[in-house]
Amino acid sequence: QVQLQESGPGLAKPSETLSLTCTVSGGSINSNYWSWIRQPPGKGLEWIGYIYYSGSTDYNPSLKSRVTISVDTSNSQSSLKLSSVTAADTAVYYCTRGSGWYFYWGQGTLVTVSS
Amino acid sequence: EIVLTQSPGTLSLSPGERATLSCRASQNVNNNYLAWYQQKPGQAPRLLIYGASSRATGIPDRFSGSGSGTDFTLTISRLEPEDFAVYHCQQYGNSPRTFGQGTKVEIK
Repeated sequence: QVQLQESGPGLAKPSETLSLTCTVSGGSINSNYWSWIRQPPGKGLEWIGYIYYSGSTDYNPSLKSRVTISVDTSNSQSSLKLSSVTAADTAVYYCTRGSGWYFYWGQGTLVTVSS
Repeated sequence: EIVLTQSPGTLSLSPGERATLSCRASQNVNNNYLAWYQQKPGQAPRLLIYGASSRATGIPDRFSGSGSGTDFTLTISRLEPEDFAVYHCQQYGNSPRTFGQGTKVEIK
């Protein structure tokens, strides 16, 4: 059974960089796409972007200038970095497997941007 | 970017009733690459339907998806108590992937 687990600080200061890691277990990180999706409190879902295990990426244009998604195949991890955060980046961040539809999700981690 | 508009915003129904949820796209969804998810409070979304009409593994057959082009529908034939939740549609035929704003199905 594939399991995804997000980890990282639950609090980020404005203008700083948010960094999260997704650890994959029960399945291989190879030959798969890994995506990040976020959900502000009480709002809808927003696609952030994805990475293929080989390193190719696609990002949401609305976030592209601030986002970096990377993959570490040796540790079965995907990472998300979002720079210059503001309060608008406060959200639950999910990692998922796939580039289109998403069957496997992490439980999500809430990141609050506040000074 | 394809904008997905879900209607209604809230659907108030009783257990055993039929639920019909709509998702309309601002432009054609390539290959009808449209998915539906169910989300309960404090939980990650759960994939119900992909490819507009294919049920995901483990999804009961009371859930069905239909539609093509710009108009898609999720139907729950007979609501069970566990079906009261928020439902999201998502297109993956174009980049960026986009989601609708969600429809809440609540108990009447």
